[in-house]
Amino acid sequence: IAGITQAPTSQILAAGRRMTLRCTQDMRHNAMYWYRQDLGLGLRLIHYSNTAGTTGKGEVPDGYSVSRANTDDFPLTLASAVPSQTSVYFCASSGGTSSGANVLTFGAGSRLTVL
Amino acid sequence: GQNIDQPTEMTATEGAIVQINCTYQTSGFNGLFWYQQHAGEAPTFLSYNVLDGLEEKGRFSSFLSRSKGYSYLLLKELQMKDSASYLCAVRDSNYQLIWGAGTKLIIKP
Repeated sequence: IAGITQAPTSQILAAGRRMTLRCTQDMRHNAMYWYRQDLGLGLRLIHYSNTAGTTGKGEVPDGYSVSRANTDDFPLTLASAVPSQTSVYFCASSGGTSSGANVLTFGAGSRLTVL
Repeated sequence: GQNIDQPTEMTATEGAIVQINCTYQTSGFNGLFWYQQHAGEAPTFLSYNVLDGLEEKGRFSSFLSRSKGYSYLLLKELQMKDSASYLCAVRDSNYQLIWGAGTKLIIKP
């Protein structure tokens, strides 16, 4: 089934630990995104990649890093987790970055709790 | 700054009609989106408006007025499965999406 796979589904993590959230898509989409979703707030963009080999910072990039070695994979790394990074993380992809609807397809999300 | 406003929560009755409003103030405008998100699930695309007017898609319609910075999502013949959060998002001049906090719609029998 075409779509986006995220792993893990949920994770409890001790503060200070390193964590990588995995994201893989099989739709050959150029653009990929990482969002966090917190209660009472809209989705906030962490990092994005318009095409393989390039990445950019979103609205809330501090404490996070990404890489885009190929079209399909876009992992998000928390170098040293802090409690404020407790959130639900969504990976998304789209076929382009400019004109047209450019609809986002989302993964199922990764619920991360940092204690 | 950029801002998307939508009601936090709405309640409606099964079989009825509900209108969810969204107002926005953004740096430029390159389209407005509505997504549906059931509890514990990923957002899924509902509609896209880039020109003024009404876009109808089955039981769901979306309206846009760019001069007023205003959109609404209209849901007809409400079903229990329509209980979800509805997210409004605007694509700004940099083609980045700005998201509202979402409207939780509760459907009662």
